Amino acid sequence: VLTQSPGTLSLSPGARATLSCRASQSVSSDYLAWYQQKPGQAPRLLIYGASRRAAGIPDRFSGSGSGTDFTLTISSLEPEDSAVYYCQQHGSSFGGGTKVEIK
Amino acid sequence: QLLLQESGPGLVKPSETLSLTCTVSGGSVNSSNYYWAWIRQPPGKGLEWVGSIYYTGNTYYSPSLRGRVTLSVDTAKNHFSMKLDSLTAADTAVHYCARFGLAAAVPPDWGQGTVVTVSS
Repeated sequence: VLTQSPGTLSLSPGARATLSCRASQSVSSDYLAWYQQKPGQAPRLLIYGASRRAAGIPDRFSGSGSGTDFTLTISSLEPEDSAVYYCQQHGSSFGGGTKVEIK
Repeated sequence: QLLLQESGPGLVKPSETLSLTCTVSGGSVNSSNYYWAWIRQPPGKGLEWVGSIYYTGNTYYSPSLRGRVTLSVDTAKNHFSMKLDSLTAADTAVHYCARFGLAAAVPPDWGQGTVVTVSS
């Protein structure tokens, strides 16, 4: 089971966002992904292998972590980063999501 | 470039069976390097793993749907499919198909999704 926190993050443009994904048991970093989803759109892959940015993803997005604790960091929020973010263990469940709001 | 395209009825009646197909282009379902999956998302809710299938036919189903869902793969038509029995309104969702790599740190690929509404 993957648990994401916080449920909602409300920050100003330019702020740093730190999203957490905690697993109930150890997860291989090779198979941990992060997605961004905006209303009415399919999820967009941001990070795979815990820390590898997908093609075309801005470098303000970064992933880190191992074992049971993983983090998605957005170094300087842009207005277009307003979305719900999900972590996923390949072949298995998703976290409940973190909604990022830009003030 | 890999393209995954979901297809199926947009509207199905309660108690009936939903059948969806994911057509794969730019890649082969008959590959030992990947497995193929279905994911769904009810309106206003999060993403839910439905199940996955390997080209050999080996399957893994979500415990919450096991017994109602069946995945299959057709290597001749280069597509894979999902059937979900005994539908209720709670099965209304956007359904996505996806490809996941078996090797370490391979980026997943997703389709754009298809909306399925369960209603009489």
